[in-house]
Amino acid sequence: GAVVSQHPSWVICKSGTSVKIECRSLDFQATTMFWYRQFPKQSLMLMATSNEGSKATYEQGVEKDKFLINHASLTLSTLTVTSAHPEDSSFYICSASGRGLQNIQYFGAGTRLSVL
Amino acid sequence: GEDVEQSLFLSVREGDSSVINCTYTDSSSTYLYWYKQEPGAGLQLLTYIFSNMDMKQDQRLTVLLNKKDKHLSLRIADTQTGDSAIYFCAETADTGRRALTFGSGTRLQVQP
Repeated sequence: GAVVSQHPSWVICKSGTSVKIECRSLDFQATTMFWYRQFPKQSLMLMATSNEGSKATYEQGVEKDKFLINHASLTLSTLTVTSAHPEDSSFYICSASGRGLQNIQYFGAGTRLSVL
Repeated sequence: GEDVEQSLFLSVREGDSSVINCTYTDSSSTYLYWYKQEPGAGLQLLTYIFSNMDMKQDQRLTVLLNKKDKHLSLRIADTQTGDSAIYFCAETADTGRRALTFGSGTRLQVQP
């Protein structure tokens, strides 16, 4: 199947710093990428949908100035958590879908963010 | 809005069959998926089914879809300890770029 690579897998940072998470489609062109957030023992909550070359669409309640999403190419999307605070600590997962993949989303391995 | 529901926990003995159930509310759901998540890891696509199918079998996995009742199930035959994980049901409509709506996940515990 298609492969999505997400880095870093785990990051610990101090409160107030910004953290960038990368999501890459390795063997297909990702026309759409999605960013999810998962709290412990809970399901995935969609944060935003990102189409290549256009601005991301954020879900209600997600601050677009806090969670900056860039999808500049067909193989890379980035999520930057700006001025991170302890309440931003969570598991962030990206997924990607592309042409010819029958609307299937392939997920990255996730990034665990711990803000001290 | 869309809603996907699953039971939270299932415990089976090794070698038995596991059946994980899921119900959804969106009548426009076209694609239905089962993902597996092991502790601290991302989601692994196990299988998927289109709404015009009733059943799909892939090795030990069998997916049954009752579109009338909006009920989806995943059967794992000969369950192994390595199958212990959280299983998520997810759905999306055929609009090309819509995100998935996930259920809460079912924690499968396989006892030796």
